[in-house]
Amino acid sequence: DQQVKQNSPSLSVQEGRISILNCDYTNSMFDYFLWYKKYPAEGPTFLISISSIKDKNEDGRFTVFLNKSAKHLSLHIVPSQPGDSAVYFCAAIGDSTNAGKSTFGDGTTLTVKP
Amino acid sequence: DAGVIQSPRHEVTEMGQEVTLRCKPISGHNSLFWYRQTMMRGLELLIYFNNNVPIDDSGMPEDRFSAKMPNASFSTLKIQPSEPRDSAVYFCASSFGDRGNQPQHFGDGTRLSIL
Repeated sequence: DQQVKQNSPSLSVQEGRISILNCDYTNSMFDYFLWYKKYPAEGPTFLISISSIKDKNEDGRFTVFLNKSAKHLSLHIVPSQPGDSAVYFCAAIGDSTNAGKSTFGDGTTLTVKP
Repeated sequence: DAGVIQSPRHEVTEMGQEVTLRCKPISGHNSLFWYRQTMMRGLELLIYFNNNVPIDDSGMPEDRFSAKMPNASFSTLKIQPSEPRDSAVYFCASSFGDRGNQPQHFGDGTRLSIL
């Protein structure tokens, strides 16, 4: 049973437009959510996070939205740049006392075309 | 600042051989995680340590896999004997804090190929 799902394996957008990456989860105990970006031959790097007590967190071009009732979160990148082309992983933490054990989605490959 | 350091970056060996993957976490981090990434199963958590103590090893696939963290600056993941289906990229990650809402910092992984 996959508790964190990224249903779109890939997404292609034009440079300058908005990229929207989606993530759904099933476990209502998740209380913290993170997005990671991964380039080929490198490890994932942390991008942005959101606590379950919030519905939006913004950091520059990156905004994460959380809809708890729908168990859905999304990452918006505006404007998209070719350097944003990477695999994006959504991750969820179920218990903030468990030393950070995260459950990851399978990732979405974003391609930003010049 | 040095990030999480994994070695080797690539390992090719024949089935049946022992494989040892190494990880040096970021200094001061007290949680360490081992992941395996494959096309079929995505990014799987194998085991994680907090303050050098294994907390959850439920993701370790078989008894052939073992992990140790003898001190705060070093961890190993061992496969003995190795099998072709163990071929994957293995990531180590570390984080700071006990509350769990801290992002993890990943190494660049070890690409393991078992022939």
